[in-house]
Amino acid sequence: DADVTQTPRNRITKTGKRIMLECSQTKGHDRMYWYRQDPGLGLRLIYYSFDVKDINKGEISDGYSVSRQAQAKFSLSLESAIPNQTALYFCATSDSTSGGNNEQFFGPGTRLTVL
Amino acid sequence: GQSLEQPSEVTAVEGAIVQINCTYQTSGFYGLSWYQQHDGGAPTFLSYNALDGLEETGRFSSFLSRSDSYGYLLLQELQMKDSASYFCAVRGTGGFKTIFGAGTRLFVKA
Repeated sequence: DADVTQTPRNRITKTGKRIMLECSQTKGHDRMYWYRQDPGLGLRLIYYSFDVKDINKGEISDGYSVSRQAQAKFSLSLESAIPNQTALYFCATSDSTSGGNNEQFFGPGTRLTVL
Repeated sequence: GQSLEQPSEVTAVEGAIVQINCTYQTSGFYGLSWYQQHDGGAPTFLSYNALDGLEETGRFSSFLSRSDSYGYLLLQELQMKDSASYFCAVRGTGGFKTIFGAGTRLFVKA
C-alpha cells in the first residue's frame, strides 16, 4: 500500500466550482505540504503544516485553503476554481525527527483541469 | 526572496557522466536537496547537503559550496532510466520550508 495517497487522481471541473483534494499518509510524519506543478515552473508551495495546529502559507496561497483534520490528513480546497488553477497537485510529507535533511515523500499527484 | 537557477535541459549519452548545476539565493540556508521525477511520476528524494563538500550515493553524487551559493548533482555511468527531470531544492530559514527550482530535464541517448 502507498504511504502517501491522494484523491482524486484526476478531476475535471468548471469555473466557479468548489473543489477539495485530499491527502492521507500512513508514514506517521508530522509535516505535510501541498504543491502545484506547472510545466517549466517546477514545484511551487501552496500551504504547509508542521503539526495539526500549525498551518502556514507558501509561495502561492491565494485562491486556496487547507485543513489539517488529523496528523494523517491534509486537504486542499479551491473555493471557486478558475482555469489558471489547472495543474498537477502534489501532497508531500516529512518527519521533523528524521535528522535534518527534511526528505519529503510525495503522493502520486492529482491532475486538475478547470474548464 | 528566494530563487534557484538550474539549466532547463541537458542531453548526454549512455555510459557518460553529466553534471547538473544549481545556484541559489535564499534568506538563510539549511541545506540543498535533489529530487528526481520521471514523466507521470512523483518526485523522489536523491540527496541532501548541509555542509560543503561531496556526498556520494552509488552512481549519484551531490556537491555543495555554501560560500558560492552553488551546488551540483553528478550522475555517473548514465543509463536510459536516468532520463527524468531533476530538481534542486533549498531549505531556508524563512519558516523552514523548502523551495524548489524549475527543474532540469535530462535526456539520455543510446
